[in-house]
Amino acid sequence: KQEVTQIPAALSVPEGENLVLNCSFTDSAIYNLQWFRQDPGKGLTSLLLIQSSQREQTSGRLNASLDKSSGRSTLYIAASQPGDSATYLCALSFQGAQKLVFGQGTRLTINP
Amino acid sequence: ETGVTQSPTHLIKTRGQQVTLRCSSQSGHNTVSWYQQALGQGPQFIFQYYREEENGRGNFPPRFSGLQFPNYSSELNVNALELDDSALYLCASSFQGRRTDTQYFGPGTRLTVL
Repeated sequence: KQEVTQIPAALSVPEGENLVLNCSFTDSAIYNLQWFRQDPGKGLTSLLLIQSSQREQTSGRLNASLDKSSGRSTLYIAASQPGDSATYLCALSFQGAQKLVFGQGTRLTINP
Repeated sequence: ETGVTQSPTHLIKTRGQQVTLRCSSQSGHNTVSWYQQALGQGPQFIFQYYREEENGRGNFPPRFSGLQFPNYSSELNVNALELDDSALYLCASSFQGRRTDTQYFGPGTRLTVL
């Protein structure tokens, strides 16, 4: 069974700090990995997608890394802002499978 | 280019009733996936439709069924509603065949079963 774990479940930091969100998975035969953002009661917004052959992707203040051998991905957020407050979800897809497998998410609060 | 839309936004039903949720895929996409997200949890894959046929299914009972239409829009039908069916239902569209396979999500339908 493919399992995705996100730690911590919740995180609260002061504005301006750099922070790292973690995602671990049990099956290394992934096709790609995506990080999503979800505001309360809303849909998902794709932030970054990393192909299985890549090690990292960057978009603005966000950087996502992928280490298939250790079954880990991290999302690095630089210079956090109150507007970054949301739940962050990682999701994996696997070769030959049609679905995304999601972690439980990390609820992030940035305090002004 | 229009994004993924879902209707209705919110819905309240009673146990035993039937419900139909609708999704319009993003322009140019031919695949729609449906997910169920319980409160405080990550989304769980229900099923996917590609070219009007089911193309993969998660661990959901047969009372969860779907359709995809020639314009690639989709419906999710749930029969004999149970209290545990209360959740946010998300649809996502994508284009099969692209290497990236990025899925674009709609805003979701919040279903409450009383």
